[in-house]
Amino acid sequence: EPEVTQTPSHQVTQMGQEVILRCVPISNHLYFYWYRQILGQKVEFLVSFYNNEISEKSEIFDDQFSVERPDGSNFTLKIRSTKLEDSAMYFCASSEEGLIGEQYFGPGTRLTVT
Amino acid sequence: SQQGEEDPQALSIQEGENATMNCSYKTSINNLQWYRQNSGRGLVHLILIRSNEREKHSGRLRVTLDTSKKSSSLLITASRAADTASYFCATRRGSTLGRLYFGRGTQLTVWP
Repeated sequence: EPEVTQTPSHQVTQMGQEVILRCVPISNHLYFYWYRQILGQKVEFLVSFYNNEISEKSEIFDDQFSVERPDGSNFTLKIRSTKLEDSAMYFCASSEEGLIGEQYFGPGTRLTVT
Repeated sequence: SQQGEEDPQALSIQEGENATMNCSYKTSINNLQWYRQNSGRGLVHLILIRSNEREKHSGRLRVTLDTSKKSSSLLITASRAADTASYFCATRRGSTLGRLYFGRGTQLTVWP
């Protein structure tokens, strides 16, 4: 069964460093998302992406964040200058349909900022 | 906020018993999805119910939706120890392009 994959599974970085989290969505899906979950808290929406542009972003997704689909398969989240509070589990998701379809999540990347 | 809110926060049962988890939300929705998360792992999609549906089944799972009460329930029948996980509901509004709003989840523990 097709699934969303994410790399790396765990990333440790120092405050102020740039990180890139990678995702490979399900191949026939057109809608892509990033969410994050700080330990013990709710899963929070960051951004949605369709047709090579951002469709919607939350208040969390400030200028330090960017997303890109550099080729036909990868979808990346970049954090330019990490802060301690960026430590969280980051989930990528994809969907065949935007408004009404199921969103399938990857296993997540645990980002630890020291 | 129109995020889903689950109750109970924690549920502990014996294998073979049924587990019922509830979710409430505040605004109108397009659909509601239930997810399972094993400790420290990813979110596994369980079932989606659309706003014009009242009940849906998938294996041992039964989901109901009452849009007049803005609530949903997830029933797991004949639970197994492997069902131990956190269960989240996530709502999608009609006016957004797919953003999901998650609740805090119910931690289900099934004892063998």
